[in-house]
Amino acid sequence: AQSVTQPDIHITVSEGASLELRCNYSYGATPYLFWYVQSPGQGLQLLLKYFSGDTLVQGIKGFEAEFKRSQSSFNLRKPSVHWSDAAEYFCAVGARTGANNLFFGTGTRLTVIP
Amino acid sequence: EAQVTQNPRYLITVTGKKLTVTCSQNMNHEYMSWYRQDPGLGLRQIYYSMNVEVTDKGDVPEGYKVSRKEKRNFPLILESPSPNQTSLYFCASSLQGAYNEQFFGPGTRLTVL
Repeated sequence: AQSVTQPDIHITVSEGASLELRCNYSYGATPYLFWYVQSPGQGLQLLLKYFSGDTLVQGIKGFEAEFKRSQSSFNLRKPSVHWSDAAEYFCAVGARTGANNLFFGTGTRLTVIP
Repeated sequence: EAQVTQNPRYLITVTGKKLTVTCSQNMNHEYMSWYRQDPGLGLRQIYYSMNVEVTDKGDVPEGYKVSRKEKRNFPLILESPSPNQTSLYFCASSLQGAYNEQFFGPGTRLTVL
């Protein structure tokens, strides 16, 4: 069965600094990979997803993520963080075969300081 | 406006009193799903539905029921709620399956005393 680990529970960065949020997955093959963001008091919104092809994926709001098969990772990055990026970020994986559901990580809460 | 709506947004109830949380989407999506979110556990899927009259269990279905009689609605039913079902619940929908972009409702915060 697939699983996903987000090792950082909480990260604090200064506005304008770069950001990297870590995501590691466990799966026998290459899964479908996703990053969702949850702003305070809101539901989740899809930032980006990886199915196949180019391992560097561009998303909304200036985010990107890189799939690294050798490291079983799908880290999310942003070169310059804005105060509005403060939110909780969830990595999710889905199997390429089998049940049509996603497994979410436990989330990383991002705080942005001025 | 394209959206997923949930009602109620907040609910406090007592153990054993049946309740229903409604979910409706206006995007003609085939796929709908229910998640619960708990601190330190992230989101876990309860049930999902690929289309009308087609539902399936997610990771944590115990104590919950769902139905999909119409494409737009996917209610979550707790026949006999217990305190361990105190959680934040999200309904989501997508055009076709979990791997398309899922659109989430605003959430329902349920407390079972």
